[in-house]
Amino acid sequence: AQSVAQPEDQVNVAEGNPLTVKCTYSVSGNPYLFWYVQYPNRGLQFLLKYITGDNLVKGSYGFEAEFNKSQTSFHLKKPSALVSDSALYFCAVREASGGSYIPTFGRGTSLIVHP
Amino acid sequence: DGGITQSPKYLFRKEGQNVTLSCEQNLNHDAMYWYRQDPGQGLRLIYYSQIVNDFQKGDIAEGYSVSREKKESFPLTVTSAQKNPTAFYLCASRQVDNSPLHFGNGTRLTVT
Repeated sequence: AQSVAQPEDQVNVAEGNPLTVKCTYSVSGNPYLFWYVQYPNRGLQFLLKYITGDNLVKGSYGFEAEFNKSQTSFHLKKPSALVSDSALYFCAVREASGGSYIPTFGRGTSLIVHP
Repeated sequence: DGGITQSPKYLFRKEGQNVTLSCEQNLNHDAMYWYRQDPGQGLRLIYYSQIVNDFQKGDIAEGYSVSREKKESFPLTVTSAQKNPTAFYLCASRQVDNSPLHFGNGTRLTVT
């Protein structure tokens, strides 16, 4: 079975400060990990993914995420937040092999960047 | 310009009526998915299809039905048996095994 947890419903940060949105996961084998962003009344947009290789993954809009196998985490980060980063962020996981190849999504974290 | 089109954006229905949500993609993706999104609950999988003329139930399939007669199209019918149909519905597709999902912009269904 696979699962993903986003422990914070909401993250507040001041513009220009670094931001972190947390994600932890559970899978039987190796994971594929994804981050998506959703703006109001829109679909999800893909930000970045970890498949294999370098633990630090860089994605769209200056976001990056660090894969930590020992802590089973894949936290989303950005060095300097923008007000326009305010949105709902989803972490997703699926097993790299076996299973149904269907990703499981977290409940989402609302990021609010204050001017 | 490739993508996934969901229509309509907003849909209103009376209780007891069936309603069909459209999802069309021109990305040539084999796999397509329907998710339901409720506040604070993330995305829950309703149905998915890995190939034409084949589909499987997701976690919350009761009260829903789908068809996959064409690669480009994966319509979702919300039947009167769905007890709480008011929600935001998202359609998605995927190209290859480890690729991310591409999402449409959703249909917000309100049943009164």
